[in-house]
Amino acid sequence: GIQVEQSPPDLILQEGANSTLRCNFSDSVNNLQWFHQNPWGQLINLFYIPSGTKQNGRLSATTVATERYSLLYISSSQTTDSGVYFCAVGAGTASKLTFGTGTRLQVTL
Amino acid sequence: GAVVSQHPSRVICKSGTSVKIECRSLDFQATTMFWYRQFPKQSLMLMATSNEGSKATYEQGVEKDKFLINHASLTLSTLTVTSAHPEDSSFYICSARGGGGRVAGVNTQYFGPGTRLLVL
Repeated sequence: GIQVEQSPPDLILQEGANSTLRCNFSDSVNNLQWFHQNPWGQLINLFYIPSGTKQNGRLSATTVATERYSLLYISSSQTTDSGVYFCAVGAGTASKLTFGTGTRLQVTL
Repeated sequence: GAVVSQHPSRVICKSGTSVKIECRSLDFQATTMFWYRQFPKQSLMLMATSNEGSKATYEQGVEKDKFLINHASLTLSTLTVTSAHPEDSSFYICSARGGGGRVAGVNTQYFGPGTRLLVL
């Protein structure tokens, strides 16, 4: 099956700093989503981005499907950004997602 | 929009009992729902795909007789953990796939808040 690796695995930032999270996948995909899992376990949809670039406030994402990676940018980080960020990909006609290994982000004051 | 609920949020049960978890899409219809399991500090692992009106499709290594899935309507899927044992203790999360309407984007999965199961 498709393999999804995320980097870095852990990240500690001071409030106000910017960061880039990376997601590499091993095969062609037609679905890619970024999620933020908050400390209570809820997964929050950030982007549906199988290709191209999108922005939503302080967050933006870019997927380069031909090179099999996606990037999530967080600018001016806040303590509420803490949690785990997952990318998840899907391929073919099946609608299921394979989740990446996650990046655990801690934003400190 | 695109809200998915799960009930219960937390359950503690004795070994050998069965536990039912409900997953509902509140403001959109979902012909396909998914069930995941997540162990502490790990990623989400897909257990099964639930299709309305038909049998669920289980991932390799997931016992279909132990994890019973029913998707009886376009807004409700249930997961029953039968004869639960301590090793079944985990965080169970469902998702519903949007159909491209005004509320839920096509091929986008929306997740419930999860159910923490502890089997004693």
